[in-house]
Amino acid sequence: ETGVTQTPRHLVMGMTNKKSLKCEQHLGHNAMYWYKQSAKKPLELMFVYNFKEQTENNSVPSRFSPECPNSSHLFLHLHTLQPEDSALYLCASSQVTGAGNTIYFGEGSWLTVV
Amino acid sequence: GIQVEQSPPDLILQEGANSTLRCNFSDSVNNLQWFHQNPWGQLINLFYIPSGTKQNGRLSATTVATERYSLLYISSSQTTDSGVYFCAVEQDTGRRALTFGSGTRLQVQP
Repeated sequence: ETGVTQTPRHLVMGMTNKKSLKCEQHLGHNAMYWYKQSAKKPLELMFVYNFKEQTENNSVPSRFSPECPNSSHLFLHLHTLQPEDSALYLCASSQVTGAGNTIYFGEGSWLTVV
Repeated sequence: GIQVEQSPPDLILQEGANSTLRCNFSDSVNNLQWFHQNPWGQLINLFYIPSGTKQNGRLSATTVATERYSLLYISSSQTTDSGVYFCAVEQDTGRRALTFGSGTRLQVQP
């Protein structure tokens, strides 16, 4: 238990569906992240939120839409995905300090697009 | 952006053996972390070690920031150590995000 909870753990969706991934952190952190992990590739940063404001969008296609209503919750809205979007989606949080920050990950959401 | 290279990519050990995993990075960093990813996908923090040496049980890590590398030592390996070990760094540029290496896949055989 890392203090970062992701739901659902597994999701299968069609290319025309709309679904959302949810992340909640219980650590009192002020930054939250979405990472994507595809087979045989390094973890790729998708989005960064500091104090609910998006500070980084790493050239992510618009079919992925993040939402951060408060410092404890982060969503990733999915629509009209492609089979190549199938991957493990990891949420993380950290307390941003002056120099560096320890980041904690959730258990991930395994997404399959059919 | 910063490059992070891990070696070896794959490692097979017999239970009880020792091993050293290496992480090289191409620029100065203010954050370096080692993670273990279990077969279910969970990433577990092992060390926050931008410089110096730390030990936690059978695991220890050393980062030589001036030479831009970090080492993770696993002693007396156990089958539960199997999984993928990732090194991740944050550049000293104010960008608040970790860049991950490709990982070392470790298999410990009984």
